[in-house]
Formats: sequence, structure tokens, C-alpha cells
Amino acid sequence: GAVVSQHPSWVICKSGTSVKIECRSLDFQATTMFWYRQFPKQSLMLMATSNEGSKATYEQGVEKDKFLINHASLTLSTLTVTSAHPEDSSFYICSAQRNAAETQYFGPGTRLLVL
Amino acid sequence: AQKITQTQPGMFVQEKEAVTLDCTYDTSDPSYGLFWYKQPSSGEMIFLIYQGSYDQQNATEGRYSLNFQKARKSANLVISASQLGDSAMYFCAGTFSNDYKLSFGAGTTVTVRA
Repeated sequence: GAVVSQHPSWVICKSGTSVKIECRSLDFQATTMFWYRQFPKQSLMLMATSNEGSKATYEQGVEKDKFLINHASLTLSTLTVTSAHPEDSSFYICSAQRNAAETQYFGPGTRLLVL
Repeated sequence: AQKITQTQPGMFVQEKEAVTLDCTYDTSDPSYGLFWYKQPSSGEMIFLIYQGSYDQQNATEGRYSLNFQKARKSANLVISASQLGDSAMYFCAGTFSNDYKLSFGAGTTVTVRA
């Protein structure tokens, strides 16, 4: 149990376009989902925390109008990178948590390349 | 602010030998949780082991064991009998103050040599 999927796994887009990444908890209901960003050879940086039915909480320095997060159901959260630019190219990973007392289960990640 | 420190950017280990990955943390909270994750080149984050601050015993999971030294604020990961498939990046992480956010260390790249 505790499987988290992400779609797509790879995306290449042109500068200026928007990209949507989906994160799904397949076999459990996630009250909280997290979005991370990771540059090569670096650690994971938390971008935002989203709870089902409420607005996401963004970490300091993360533009909420740039990275739109929607957590419409207990099994789905989406991250939309709006007007993507080459500097947005990165590895984006989501995680999901049943409740605060449990560990986070990570998705396989999405590699975004903006040309 | 709570912080996780991993001071070893990279390590080489011979196959079948044990390797210890260092992790220290900085917190004044009595309640916290410490995690280790493995990230192979594919990018997925694989949960390895968990240690709670109130746990009396050191956590073990198969070939993984956590050397938890509370007074020294360290939570080193020991991988015994290394295998080629253990080559990956390893992250130490923690949750503090009843906050469910994970704070990650910088990571350690482990390369297992045949």
C-alpha cells in the first residue's frame, strides 16, 4: 500500500507555456500533499504544502502565482508551472501523507525541461 | 530553526562491506522524527528507516540500521553488506515540533565498487 503516482514523468515544453503535473495517492486518502523541487546533485526543497479543500501554503521565496497548486480531492493534487521559463527546468517531486502522524510517501517525480 | 546536516558529499564502499552515513540534527524540541531515504538515479525517493525521538531502541530494517545517539544529536545510517544496487544518493530528514514538514539534509552519494 501507500503508492503515489505522478504524471507526466517527463515533460519538455517551450518557454512561455504552462505545464500541469498531477500527483495521485493510489491506494489511500491523503489529507496533505507536498510539492518539492530538486536541482541536480542537490537536496529536495519544499515548495508548498497543500491540504484537501484549502489553499496551499507556500514556502518563503516560492511564487504562488507562478506555481499554482490545487488539491481538489483526497487523492489528487496538481502543480501548474505557469509561463514556464528555462530556469524552471527541474525535477519536481510530490509526496502524500494520510495524516500528520504518518510518514510521507513520495511519487516518482517529474522532470521538466523548458526550452 | 531545525536543521539536518550531512557532511559527506560522497563515499565509496567495497561490495559486501558496511558503510556509515553521518547525519546530525539541531533542535531543542523533545519530540521529533528522523528518516532516511534512498534516491537512485531514477529519482524516486525510497523510504528506508525511521527513528522517533522517544524510541528506546535503535531502528533496524533488514540491512539498514540507524545509530541513534540522542545526546550527540546524531542519527547515522549503517548499511551492512553493501550491494551494487545500494549505489544512490541518501538523504537524512527530520520532522520537528509536531510539524509534518520534512527538513532534508544535503545528501550523501554512495558508490559501491565491485
